Amino acid sequence: GQNIDQPTEMTATEGAIVQINCTYQTSGFNGLFWYQQHAGEAPTFLSYNVLDGLEEKGRFSSFLSRSKGYSYLLLKELQMKDSASYLCAVRDSNYQLIWGAGTKLIIKP
Amino acid sequence: ETGVTQTPRHLVMGMTNKKSLKCEQHLGHNAMYWYKQSAKKPLELMFVYNFKEQTENNSVPSRFSPECPNSSHLFLHLHTLQPEDSALYLCASSQGLDTYEQYFGPGTRLTVT
Repeated sequence: GQNIDQPTEMTATEGAIVQINCTYQTSGFNGLFWYQQHAGEAPTFLSYNVLDGLEEKGRFSSFLSRSKGYSYLLLKELQMKDSASYLCAVRDSNYQLIWGAGTKLIIKP
Repeated sequence: ETGVTQTPRHLVMGMTNKKSLKCEQHLGHNAMYWYKQSAKKPLELMFVYNFKEQTENNSVPSRFSPECPNSSHLFLHLHTLQPEDSALYLCASSQGLDTYEQYFGPGTRLTVT
């Protein structure tokens, strides 16, 4: 079966760095996505990785290792507004998105 | 500001009621999606439409009936639902099926009593 695993909840301090991991087992691979979802709001796109390596976009970076079925989202200089759920999703061989359950990130002052 | 709108934002219905959820996208996209989001569970893809044609039905019970009259509008008709159908129903759109970014609407919070 297809499976995406990510931690249920993480806590970090304002100004610090946090890494949210995601491991996956899917039928084929056509890219990995990270989305951010604030409570009561729609998910919004953060990043896309299809090749191995690190993609940096401002305070957020996303890493992919296809051989390990592994990705992480790195958030630097954390701000209170970064408190949200972070969803990892993989596009399989049928171009369908398989989603993880999300990681709830709590930022403390 | 999201280019995908959904109405209503909240809906409470009894198990014998019939209601419809509406989604509209103003982005000129060709693909539209219905997802179900339950607490602490992954997003579940329900239906996919591409150029108004349904391309995916992920074993969704027949009490959920989608309708896509054109590329900008998507409906989810609901009848004789069960309490376990209570969830957040999200609509999304993308330029095409192989486009990497999906744009989500704010969702409809459905409670079945």
